[in-house]
Amino acid sequence: KQEVTQIPAALSVPEGENLVLNCSFTDSAIYNLQWFRQDPGKGLTSLLLIQSSQREQTSGRLNASLDKSSGRSTLYIAASQPGDSATYLCAVTMDSNYQLIWGAGTKLIIKP
Amino acid sequence: EAQVTQNPRYLITVTGKKLTVTCSQNMNHEYMSWYRQDPGLGLRQIYYSMNVEVTDKGDVPEGYKVSRKEKRNFPLILESPSPNQTSLYFCASSLDRVGYEQYFGPGTRLTVT
Repeated sequence: KQEVTQIPAALSVPEGENLVLNCSFTDSAIYNLQWFRQDPGKGLTSLLLIQSSQREQTSGRLNASLDKSSGRSTLYIAASQPGDSATYLCAVTMDSNYQLIWGAGTKLIIKP
Repeated sequence: EAQVTQNPRYLITVTGKKLTVTCSQNMNHEYMSWYRQDPGLGLRQIYYSMNVEVTDKGDVPEGYKVSRKEKRNFPLILESPSPNQTSLYFCASSLDRVGYEQYFGPGTRLTVT
C-alpha cells in the first residue's frame, strides 16, 4: 500500500532563505507527482506537476524534483517571502488505478 | 474567473440530520471529486465522477452519497451524519482524472454534534 510522507511537519525560516521541502513515497509505480499549496480558508492550489518520466519542473521561484527509483521528491523555494507561508502538500497518482495518495503536509512559516 | 465553489463554507449540525454540501465548477471539467481532510491524515478521497451520471467510490465512501446530474454540479450528501464525519471537505475538478491540474474549492468545515 502506497504511503506518502512529508517531513518535517512544520518549518519556520527567516525571510530570504532558500529552503527545501521533502516528500517520500514507498511505491515507485506512480503516474505523476504533484505539489500543492494550502492556504487557510482558500482551498488548495496546484503548484507543480511532474510526470513519472520527468526529473524536475520549475515555476518562478519554485523547483520540484522527482527521483522515482528512490521514492523521493523535493520542492525547492528560492528567496523565501512571508507570502510563501502556507501548508505544502505532495500527492502521487498511482499507475495501477490512478488513485491519488496524499501526504499530510508541511506547514511553512516565513518570518519577516 | 475559473473557479470551484462550495456551499456552505461552515456548517454545524446534529447527528442524523440529513445535509447536502453543494459543489459547482465553471470550467466544463469532466472529472470531479470530493475529499475530506483530517489532522495528520492528509486528504482522502470520498467519491469521484468521470462524467455526468458516472460516479465511483474513493477511499472512504461509507456514510456519503453523491450524484452527477449536470456536468457542473457534484453535490455531497450525508443522509445521517455522525460525529466521525466532522471534518474539512474539499471539492475538486479537472479536465480528466490524471495528467491535468486539479482545481479545488475553498472547503467546507463540517461539525456534527
